[in-house]
Amino acid sequence: GDSVTQMEGPVTLSEEAFLTINCTYTATGYPSLFWYVQYPGEGLQLLLKATKADDKGSNKGFEATYRKETTSFHLEKGSVQVSDSAVYFCALTQWGNTPLVFGKGTRLSVIA
Amino acid sequence: NAGVTQTPKFQVLKTGQSMTLQCAQDMNHEYMSWYRQDPGMGLRLIHYSVGAGITDQGEVPNGYNVSRSTTEDFPLRLLSAAPSQTSVYFCASSYQETQYFGPGTRLLVL
Repeated sequence: GDSVTQMEGPVTLSEEAFLTINCTYTATGYPSLFWYVQYPGEGLQLLLKATKADDKGSNKGFEATYRKETTSFHLEKGSVQVSDSAVYFCALTQWGNTPLVFGKGTRLSVIA
Repeated sequence: NAGVTQTPKFQVLKTGQSMTLQCAQDMNHEYMSWYRQDPGMGLRLIHYSVGAGITDQGEVPNGYNVSRSTTEDFPLRLLSAAPSQTSVYFCASSYQETQYFGPGTRLLVL
């Protein structure tokens, strides 16, 4: 079945550092790819998404590019802030409103 | 819009007790789902529904029942709680591939 693998955390960075969180997937067909973020004590919320190969999703300074050739969707941000401290989940869905398949999450801590 | 709401926020049960976790959404979304979140395991799908009257099992359905009598509500029932069901439970509704999550219910089974 479909699966998502993301780098294990926790990741600790200093403020203004560059962030990369790796995500690779295994899926049949052409899935849509997502990054969700979970701030402490809250539910998940969509950060960005990409629905086809070479699409770039972006939001709040975060970016991820759908790379079909490497089956990857790595999350990047050029300069992290303390407020970016959260757990980040990579996910995929095959089509329409079908269940999301999540990675295990990566906890990011940004220190001032 | 309140979005997706869940009650209660926190619950303690004894082994063998039953309870219902409530989930409601006011966005008229057809698709709803329940996940559990455990340390190191990410989110795992318990049950989902593509519309009123239609439900299906996810990855970890054992020990849980659901029903969908209205578009708005999607309750999750634990018939006989077990310590293995200690977890944080999230309900979500979906529109055009984007899922909207509730704030979660933290459940402790002793």
